[in-house]
Amino acid sequence: QKEVEQDPGPLSVPEGAIVSLNCTYSNSAFQYFMWYRQYSRKGPELLMYTYSSGNKEDGRFTAQVDKSSKYISLFIRDSQPSDSATYLCAMSASKSGGSNYKLTFGKGTLLTVNP
Amino acid sequence: NAGVMQNPRHLVRRRGQEARLRCSPVKGHSHVYWYRQLPEEGLKFMVYLQKENIIDESGMPKERFSAEFPKEGPSILRIQQVVRGDSAAYFCASSPLGHRTDTQYFGPGTRLTVL
Repeated sequence: QKEVEQDPGPLSVPEGAIVSLNCTYSNSAFQYFMWYRQYSRKGPELLMYTYSSGNKEDGRFTAQVDKSSKYISLFIRDSQPSDSATYLCAMSASKSGGSNYKLTFGKGTLLTVNP
Repeated sequence: NAGVMQNPRHLVRRRGQEARLRCSPVKGHSHVYWYRQLPEEGLKFMVYLQKENIIDESGMPKERFSAEFPKEGPSILRIQQVVRGDSAAYFCASSPLGHRTDTQYFGPGTRLTVL
């Protein structure tokens, strides 16, 4: 079983739709959770960072973490064509005395928002 | 306000040649990380460096791969005697001293093609 599972899609939605992207993980040591957006032929861009179970909102984006189910989600409201990209979840384990630099990524979900 | 810079953006090598990938972190960042993204795979951690020190190279293949981050100049990822399986996108990320090391800012990547 892979440490992080992410449905690769592709996912195609009309403009204005609510998008739900998800990852599951198996390693209980993961305590910090990130979502990255990666446009074609570009580097990943950090979108959201969370560490506790529950929701974190930033504009049209909401990150949700359920540690008991080992499940994280990213919701995009009022999706725009400019949101078309690959979305990567990433996680890191806690480390005594500080954060852990070793990020474990999902494979990414390709999202297309159609005008 | 320049982000992480990588060059070259595209590199073509024949089997057996050497590949040198360069990364200039965000100005003021002293932590550098290298990740590899194979086709249809998520990003995989390779190595973590600070100035003049390799902190963790547990994700690097034992042979042919090396990395450095000298006191002056960019970080270099070096692949000797490349093989077709080395074809991938190589991403560099950086984070500032004193901040969480799992908050990493990525460059645009170098896409290596081995013929």
